[in-house]
Amino acid sequence: AQKVTQAQTEISVVEKEDVTLDCVYETRDTTYYLFWYKQPPSGELVFLIRRNSFDEQNEISGRYSWNFQKSTSSFNFTITASQVVDSAVYFCALSEAWGGSEKLVFGKGTKLTVNP
Amino acid sequence: DAGVIQSPRHEVTEMGQEVTLRCKPISGHNSLFWYRQTMMRGLELLIYFNNNVPIDDSGMPEDRFSAKMPNASFSTLKIQPSEPRDSAVYFCASRGGSPPYEQYFGPGTRLTVT
Repeated sequence: AQKVTQAQTEISVVEKEDVTLDCVYETRDTTYYLFWYKQPPSGELVFLIRRNSFDEQNEISGRYSWNFQKSTSSFNFTITASQVVDSAVYFCALSEAWGGSEKLVFGKGTKLTVNP
Repeated sequence: DAGVIQSPRHEVTEMGQEVTLRCKPISGHNSLFWYRQTMMRGLELLIYFNNNVPIDDSGMPEDRFSAKMPNASFSTLKIQPSEPRDSAVYFCASRGGSPPYEQYFGPGTRLTVT
């Protein structure tokens, strides 16, 4: 069974601090996809990134970076020099590719508050 | 390009009433998903469609819930009769291309059943 664990329920930082959001996943499949979504206070869910299980290269997009490690089943998300606008709930999600399953299984989310 | 469109954005109804939520996916997307978000249970997949056909409805809580997708550009989620425990934010998402590309979410419908 698929499972995504985001152990950090809430994180509070001061602006300009770096912050890492943890995501640990469980799957029996060898082919799978991992995602991060952002849910700002306005409520919509915004797609941030998708990684497949064969690509363990870390990715950087501006102040955002992602560290995918299959050995520890983790897909962590780091925000460098955080800003108040980064305040949101961040969700990690998993989708298995075997059998054509297209379901996204979400973690419980981590609420990030960036204080000025 | 327009994103996923959901209506209404907010719905307040009394217990026992029928509620219909609507979704228009992104044009060209062939998969559509309905999710429910609550504080207690987080984001849960209710049902999803591929090419207008329901593929997995195992997340639908009970017979009071039903979903249809009569064509590629429209889907409904109906609750009849509604109960206070159905109060939640309901999201529709769509996805195109081969699986499992990312899903794009609508703004959600906040449902309150009193």
